[in-house]
Amino acid sequence: DTEVTQTPKHLVMGMTNKKSLKCEQHMGHRAMYWYKQKAKKPPELMFVYSYEKLSINESVPSRFSPECPNSSLLNLHLHALQPEDSALYLCASSQIGERENIQYFGAGTRLSVL
Amino acid sequence: QKEVEQNSGPLSVPEGAIASLNCTYSDRGSQSFFWYRQYSGKSPELIMFIYSNGDKEDGRFTAQLNKASQYVSLLIRDSQPSDSATYLCAVKHSGGGADGLTFGKGTHLIIQP
Repeated sequence: DTEVTQTPKHLVMGMTNKKSLKCEQHMGHRAMYWYKQKAKKPPELMFVYSYEKLSINESVPSRFSPECPNSSLLNLHLHALQPEDSALYLCASSQIGERENIQYFGAGTRLSVL
Repeated sequence: QKEVEQNSGPLSVPEGAIASLNCTYSDRGSQSFFWYRQYSGKSPELIMFIYSNGDKEDGRFTAQLNKASQYVSLLIRDSQPSDSATYLCAVKHSGGGADGLTFGKGTHLIIQP
């Protein structure tokens, strides 16, 4: 089973709202990732968690706040977003220590900020 | 700065022919290389990975890596209309560590029936 589950699938929010995206995997992976993908662009890395600790933050604005409550869960808390933050948000997970470290992606959350 | 370059296409190939997709990368220290397929509105799906120089075959797909030339390619034999998608080349710097992928812009492949 290589399933990464993301909820919700779609989210519409206003610029003053607070919402959270959720990602879950049960493959025993110890690395989890958030990527942002705008239309007709490739995914761009936002955050990496390694053993439940934030290891990479790609200079993401503070209105995006990641959280890794345990090794299976990854959240992305959203606050005061801008319309340009509308995008597909992808979660991925992988093993640590293997040469290839394949990242498996969830189906994504399509976010619209009004 | 790590860069991954792909021809954005569209690349149009007749059904049954071989589709050839190419990718170059700038970071000579890159360790692992991946090809993902992405259908419109869907998430990326892994097709192939490779980390040693040479060819790696899996069914109709062959990945080729040349680290000296910093070049990765994907060949799709007996192309089917269902292969029509955007193919993303992705590069990972570290070997076993938790490191993000750097993606190319993707090649839009169209298989003509």
